[in-house]
Amino acid sequence: EAQVTQNPRYLITVTGKKLTVTCSQNMNHEYMSWYRQDPGLGLRQIYYSMNVEVTDKGDVPEGYKVSRKEKRNFPLILESPSPNQTSLYFCASRQQGISNQPQHFGDGTRLSIL
Amino acid sequence: GQNIDQPTEMTATEGAIVQINCTYQTSGFNGLFWYQQHAGEAPTFLSYNVLDGLEEKGRFSSFLSRSKGYSYLLLKELQMKDSASYLCAVRDEDYKLSFGAGTTVTVRA
Repeated sequence: EAQVTQNPRYLITVTGKKLTVTCSQNMNHEYMSWYRQDPGLGLRQIYYSMNVEVTDKGDVPEGYKVSRKEKRNFPLILESPSPNQTSLYFCASRQQGISNQPQHFGDGTRLSIL
Repeated sequence: GQNIDQPTEMTATEGAIVQINCTYQTSGFNGLFWYQQHAGEAPTFLSYNVLDGLEEKGRFSSFLSRSKGYSYLLLKELQMKDSASYLCAVRDEDYKLSFGAGTTVTVRA
């Protein structure tokens, strides 16, 4: 089954404790992206990657890092989480080069930073 | 940045029709997407428009006017399971996808 898998689904942690949210897709998609979703603000892009070893900042990259060492994986790293990073996070992927291809989203990760 | 506007909330009765409008101002245009998102779940793709006109998919249709920077999603024969958030997303000249804040549709019996 074609899917985007995120882990963990839920996490409560404390300020300053480094955490990683993993994202993996099995569709051989070149493009991957991370979003955060907050009430009234919609989905905002954090980072994206056009292919292996190619990453770039989205609209709200501060406080986050990513890496793309393999095509299928695109982890999101919070080196020193703060309460304003409490949010619902989605990873997404899509095929490059075909204009009508939508993004496929993971099930989301709800992070609470105390 | 991009500017995408859609109403915050709409309420309609089961069996009725609802139209969700989306206006946008972006640097260039390379397509508009509509997604459905049930509470606490991932967005799922509904429709894609890149040329002017109406695209119909069963009970759902989406319309685009590029000159007006305007789209709408039409939901016909509303069912209770259609209660969800509907997200308008526009892809700009750099193929970056930006989302509106979403419209929460509540279907009443």
